Amino acid sequence: EAGVTQFPSHSVIEKGQTVTLRCDPISGHDNLYWYRRVMGKEIKFLLHFVKESKQDESGMPNNRFLAERTGGTYSTLKVQPAELEDSGVYFCASNRRTGYEQFFGPGTRLTVL
Amino acid sequence: QKEVEQDPGPLSVPEGAIVSLNCTYSNSAFQYFMWYRQYSRKGPELLMYTYSSGNKEDGRFTAQVDKSSKYISLFIRDSQPSDSATYLCAMRGPGGGYQKVTFGIGTKLQVIP
Repeated sequence: EAGVTQFPSHSVIEKGQTVTLRCDPISGHDNLYWYRRVMGKEIKFLLHFVKESKQDESGMPNNRFLAERTGGTYSTLKVQPAELEDSGVYFCASNRRTGYEQFFGPGTRLTVL
Repeated sequence: QKEVEQDPGPLSVPEGAIVSLNCTYSNSAFQYFMWYRQYSRKGPELLMYTYSSGNKEDGRFTAQVDKSSKYISLFIRDSQPSDSATYLCAMRGPGGGYQKVTFGIGTKLQVIP
């Protein structure tokens, strides 16, 4: 079974530009999560999808971040416009509705210059 | 005050040593306690999962939870160079595995041959 995949693995953009991160969860996993780790800080929850519906967006930092999960499969996280403080590693995780373990992808390292 | 406190280390031990890692937390609602292992440039991988107070053993790893003290520990016996990684404590509230996970900052461990 393929694990959670994320693309790209690394993105370097300039302040003010737009970046879109993609996550492909494990097949059959209804739950999909986005987390972020800013340098020197803990991994922090951003939001949670059940299929295509947003269940919890309490961790989204501001309205420059937009997450979608069309069709309940892969998800995208768009940052527009990017700011310096958005730099960090963005992790995606997924699990089944009844699963207790969240399976994490390798992360996308975002650097905003 | 952070919800989860964890010493970031780094912690360096000789091969074969017993390693003790720990975290404290402030949120009494946490009921599920986890330890994740993260290798460089990889996503977190679940190592141990415990519900409420008590001990759980899996091979060379033992997880302990003391809810009265809001303190959790991970012990690694006969540590190996392959155990060199960052260890993240994590916890969540009641309910299913869809609940968001709150992480500690992670302790970087190096096991020297």
